[in-house]
Amino acid sequence: GAVVSQHPSWVICKSGTSVKIECRSLDFQATTMFWYRQFPKQSLMLMATSNEGSKATYEQGVEKDKFLINHASLTLSTLTVTSAHPEDSSFYICSARDHLASSTDTQYFGPGTRLTVL
Amino acid sequence: QKEVEQNSGPLSVPEGAIASLNCTYSDRGSQSFFWYRQYSGKSPELIMSIYSNGDKEDGRFTAQLNKASQYVSLLIRDSQPSDSATYLCAVRGASYDKVIFGPGTSLSVIP
Repeated sequence: GAVVSQHPSWVICKSGTSVKIECRSLDFQATTMFWYRQFPKQSLMLMATSNEGSKATYEQGVEKDKFLINHASLTLSTLTVTSAHPEDSSFYICSARDHLASSTDTQYFGPGTRLTVL
Repeated sequence: QKEVEQNSGPLSVPEGAIASLNCTYSDRGSQSFFWYRQYSGKSPELIMSIYSNGDKEDGRFTAQLNKASQYVSLLIRDSQPSDSATYLCAVRGASYDKVIFGPGTSLSVIP
């Protein structure tokens, strides 16, 4: 099956620092990757859609200058939380779509990255 | 109106019973529907996808779709304690690249 990895799995940082999260599709190519954020006891909220080789599409209310997304290859997308603050503490999850699969709808999720900003 | 709605629960069923999870969506043009299971502290894992009206069965799981009523459900037969999790309904609407998740229903299977 399709496997998506994320790194790191958890990170603790000081307020004001930047944190980079990597999302990789390990056994398939993903032209499209998605970044979600999930606060405790809440559902997944789509932050942005990342397309290989082009700018990401951000959802309403998500600051593109704060959450920098780069999708430089078919297997790697990165999310950088710039100048992180405690309110950015959350569970960040990426997903990827296998563009060669017969069902191109299916999204495969990474294991998530738990960010804690002190 | 929220795009994808689910009863938040918690839904409690005894072991061996049938658990019924429901989901409604607002975008009548939606084409693809998914059920994900999420254990606490983990990311979602896909259980089933369904695209056509009717039932789709996979092991103990049955997804049911009724596009006219904008309703999709998931039945879990012979529920096991290991099925205790939050179940997320997800819908791809008319905009191809966007999948919207419901708030999730918490299921507890009591031994």
